Amino acid sequence: DQQVKQNSPSLSVQEGRISILNCDYTNSMFDYFLWYKKYPAEGPTFLISISSIKDKNEDGRFTVFLNKSAKHLSLHIVPSQPGDSAVYFCAASTYGQNFVFGPGTRLSVLP
Amino acid sequence: DTGVSQDPRHKITKRGQNVTFRCDPISEHNRLYWYRQTLGQGPEFLTYFQNEAQLEKSRLLSDRFSAERPKGSFSTLEIQRTEQGDSAMYLCASSFLPSGEETQYFGPGTRLLVL
Repeated sequence: DQQVKQNSPSLSVQEGRISILNCDYTNSMFDYFLWYKKYPAEGPTFLISISSIKDKNEDGRFTVFLNKSAKHLSLHIVPSQPGDSAVYFCAASTYGQNFVFGPGTRLSVLP
Repeated sequence: DTGVSQDPRHKITKRGQNVTFRCDPISEHNRLYWYRQTLGQGPEFLTYFQNEAQLEKSRLLSDRFSAERPKGSFSTLEIQRTEQGDSAMYLCASSFLPSGEETQYFGPGTRLLVL
């Protein structure tokens, strides 16, 4: 039973355009959500997070949107750069515990 | 470098051997997590410590797996009688929990191959 789903295994986007990565969850008790980026042979790197009391959080080129009623969150990257090419993981937790990760989406930003 | 470090980065062993991995968290972090990641999957939670106390263990953590954090600083993960199914990337992460919004910082991982 996958509590956190990323239904697109891969995504290709042209440099300069918007990348939208999606994540769905099933556990309504999740109250904190994070996005991580992972390059080959490295551990995941924290990117951005959002608390369930908010519906949007922005940090530079990265914005995370949370739709609690739909149990859906998305990561927008604008503008996309070739260095953004990586695997992106969505993660969720409850009261700072029980972190659950999605299977990841591989983003390729084409020059 | 004050990030999370893991040692070794790679380990090749024969089935039935014991292996031990070490994780050094960010120094002021009181929580330490172990995850396992296989190809095409996200990290799967194994266990975590708050200071030296092991607070939760996943059902993925069979009796062959044991983790310790004796002084609330570094941690070790031991796998006894390794099996080919144990081949995976083992990730350590640490965090500091002053409030409910916790961010985990990951180490580079230890890639285990069991032959």
